[in-house]
Amino acid sequence: RKEVEQDPGPFNVPEGATVAFNCTYSNSASQSFFWYRQDCRKEPKLLMSVYSSGNEDGRFTAQLNRASQYISLLIRDSKLSDSATYLCVVNGQGTSYGKLTFGQGTILTVHP
Amino acid sequence: NAGVTQTPKFQVLKTGQSMTLQCAQDMNHNSMYWYRQDPGMGLRLIYYSASEGTTDKGEVPNGYNVSRLNKREFSLRLESAAPSQTSVYFCASSEWGLPQFFGPGTRLTVL
Repeated sequence: RKEVEQDPGPFNVPEGATVAFNCTYSNSASQSFFWYRQDCRKEPKLLMSVYSSGNEDGRFTAQLNRASQYISLLIRDSKLSDSATYLCVVNGQGTSYGKLTFGQGTILTVHP
Repeated sequence: NAGVTQTPKFQVLKTGQSMTLQCAQDMNHNSMYWYRQDPGMGLRLIYYSASEGTTDKGEVPNGYNVSRLNKREFSLRLESAAPSQTSVYFCASSEWGLPQFFGPGTRLTVL
């Protein structure tokens, strides 16, 4: 089983739709979780951290479910500019950020 | 403020050739990283440097060496390139441990 698994998609949604991605992780000792976005042929950019209590940043909501070992990203009122690949990232080795594991990414396409 | 810069942007090598990928950041960050990204796979850490003067192996260090030349610069060297090293290479930096800012990447092809 991969350490971090994501549905690669692609997810194709119309503007204004709500879309959610899940990401599962295998190491129950994982402590830190993040979402990055990566535009086509560009570098990844940190989108948001995922806190135990869940957190929101504008149209984006991140949730953590430790019991089932998954994190989720919800995007409300999708914009064309949200089209990108969303990378789930898990820190499975305590607080050593040099040991992050990246998922392969979920492709989102928002169409008019 | 350029952020994280990488050179070159593209490179084609023949098997057995050597080259150095350069990375520099102007944000006074302590930590710097080198990742590779291959189709269908997540980014994989090659080496990282938690602070000036220190380097540590990541998940896939074989075939690579690094140098943290100073606080700004972190270079990645391929001593004898192999086709399996064809990839997109990203450098990243951060103030507090998590790779926050990535460079634009170097697309390397080894024939």
